Amino acid sequence: AQKVTQAQTEISVVEKEDVTLDCVYETRDTTYYLFWYKQPPSGELVFLIRRNSFDEQNEISGRYSWNFQKSTSSFNFTITASQVVDSAVYFCALTLYNFNKFYFGSGTKLNVKP
Amino acid sequence: AAGVIQSPRHLIKEKRETATLKCYPIPRHDTVYWYQQGPGQDPQFLISFYEKMQSDKGSIPDRFSAQQFSDYHSELNMSSLELGDSALYFCASSLKSYRGQDNEQFFGPGTRLTVL
Repeated sequence: AQKVTQAQTEISVVEKEDVTLDCVYETRDTTYYLFWYKQPPSGELVFLIRRNSFDEQNEISGRYSWNFQKSTSSFNFTITASQVVDSAVYFCALTLYNFNKFYFGSGTKLNVKP
Repeated sequence: AAGVIQSPRHLIKEKRETATLKCYPIPRHDTVYWYQQGPGQDPQFLISFYEKMQSDKGSIPDRFSAQQFSDYHSELNMSSLELGDSALYFCASSLKSYRGQDNEQFFGPGTRLTVL
């Protein structure tokens, strides 16, 4: 069975602080994909990144960076110099090779205060 | 680029009424997925269709039914609505490759259903 765990329910930081959102996943499949989505108060799911299980290279996109470690089954997300606009719920998700459905974590609510 | 379209975006119904949510996938996409996200919850998979046939089923109540039409749009029908059905309903679409594997799913903006 597949499972995604986001242990941090809610995080509050002050603007310009760095923050890391944790994601731990479980699967016995060797081919899978990991995602991060942002859900602002308006409700839509905003795609941030997709990673396949064979690509452990870390990725940086502006203030966002992702650390994928298969050894610890983790796919953590770091926001550098956080901004108020980063306030949202962030979901980590997993699909298997056939993309049949998403397994979402419970989400982490990030509050960035000015 | 065209995205997944869901209508209506907001819907308010009374208990025991019926609701129909519509999803129009990205052009040429042949697979549709439905997810339900309750307040403060993560999205939960309900059901999916490929080429108008049900391909997978999650925790979808018996009061709900869905289908995919010849133009690949899908409708989620919800009857005898309960207060607990109040949620954000997402539709996603993808295109199966020739190997039968799905490509990436793209999510629609969601329909917010409120049951009073």
